[in-house]
Amino acid sequence: DAGITQSPRHKVTETGTPVTLRCHQTENHRYMYWYRQDPGHGLRLIHYSYGVKDTDKGEVSDGYSVSRSKTEDFLLTLESATSSQTSVYFCAIRGVADTQYFGPGTRLTVL
Amino acid sequence: GENVEQHPSTLSVQEGDSAVIKCTYSDSASNYFPWYKQELGKRPQLIIDIRSNVGEKKDQRIAVTLNKTAKHFSLHITETQPEDSAVYFCAASIRSSNTGKLIFGQGTTLQVKP
Repeated sequence: DAGITQSPRHKVTETGTPVTLRCHQTENHRYMYWYRQDPGHGLRLIHYSYGVKDTDKGEVSDGYSVSRSKTEDFLLTLESATSSQTSVYFCAIRGVADTQYFGPGTRLTVL
Repeated sequence: GENVEQHPSTLSVQEGDSAVIKCTYSDSASNYFPWYKQELGKRPQLIIDIRSNVGEKKDQRIAVTLNKTAKHFSLHITETQPEDSAVYFCAASIRSSNTGKLIFGQGTTLQVKP
């Protein structure tokens, strides 16, 4: 499991509320990624980080922000959740030679 | 931008038969191609990967082939078993910078009938 945990594992929230998802890793990996998974779209990259305080956008970054103040934690924030952000969110780390390993996922429902 | 197309979207086979899933990528600079298996409600798990300097790689009942000229790669599962039933995703690396970013295909739902 590459020492990756995500919290919460499930969340139901209302439109317009802020939401923060947490990814925690224990193996000191430099690169971390946030994906969303929706039927018919596979996994799409939201944001990624290449070190503490170093982040960049992925292909579907609108409406999301991230922060990484410690190597082990990568936070994904929805400033004002919308129903289109209902999804399953996966965090991943970059291991040896470009391999990526995923966390257990967070199922987010925005009503 | 970079794109990965995966086919078929669903695949049903009888136990013991072979299954083949195909992916096409757009970035000629891609050099890393992993395959993931995702069971219902679980995280994607890396099952096999291949790099652009290799044409084929095998691991027991699964194999991946790569055709760089045509920019496509395939997953082959032989002697399928019911526990192979899952969603399979291909991916290709984006080589515009050393970020480790991957582009994923849309997924193939494989059903193996006993």
